Amino acid sequence: EPEVTQTPSHQVTQMGQEVILRCVPISNHLYFYWYRQILGQKVEFLVSFYNNEISEKSEIFDDQFSVERPDGSNFTLKIRSTKLEDSAMYFCASSVWQSNTEAFFGQGTRLTVV
Amino acid sequence: ILNVEQSPQSLHVQEGDSTNFTCSFPSSNFYALHWYRWETAKSPEALFVMTLNGDEKKKGRISATLNTKEGYSYLYIKGSQPEDSATYLCAPLHSSNTGKLIFGQGTTLQVKP
Repeated sequence: EPEVTQTPSHQVTQMGQEVILRCVPISNHLYFYWYRQILGQKVEFLVSFYNNEISEKSEIFDDQFSVERPDGSNFTLKIRSTKLEDSAMYFCASSVWQSNTEAFFGQGTRLTVV
Repeated sequence: ILNVEQSPQSLHVQEGDSTNFTCSFPSSNFYALHWYRWETAKSPEALFVMTLNGDEKKKGRISATLNTKEGYSYLYIKGSQPEDSATYLCAPLHSSNTGKLIFGQGTTLQVKP
């Protein structure tokens, strides 16, 4: 069964460093998303991506964040200069369409900023 | 800001018990409601996507109902099994022009053998 894959599963980085989280969405899906969950809090939407551009982003997704689909398969989230409060589980998801079709989630990347 | 509430926050039941929990959301401009199951160390898995008032969906022992006029959805599990232990998340959508899921805090279910 097709699945969304994320790498790495765990990333430890020093404050101020850049990190790139990688995702391979399901191949025939058109919409791609990043969510995160800070420990003990709700899962929060970060950004959605369609047709090679950002379609929607949250207040969290400031200038320190960027997304890219560098080739036909990968979808990346870059955090330019990590802060301690960026420590969270980051989930990638993809869907065939938006709103009324289910999103398929990856297993997440646990990012720890020290 | 969309306010999504799920209750209870956690639930402990015995194997074989039936259980249910609630997702409440603003009823205005409703478009769709998603339910996900999230087992520890796994990815959230979609259970249902519901759009119509009065809709009822079923997957095995799990079913869900939707009331869009009053802004709530119930998830039922009949004859709970230990493998049903997970966090159940709901996320309403208030437009067809968005795929942005606004999740509730989830209901964590623990089923004891």
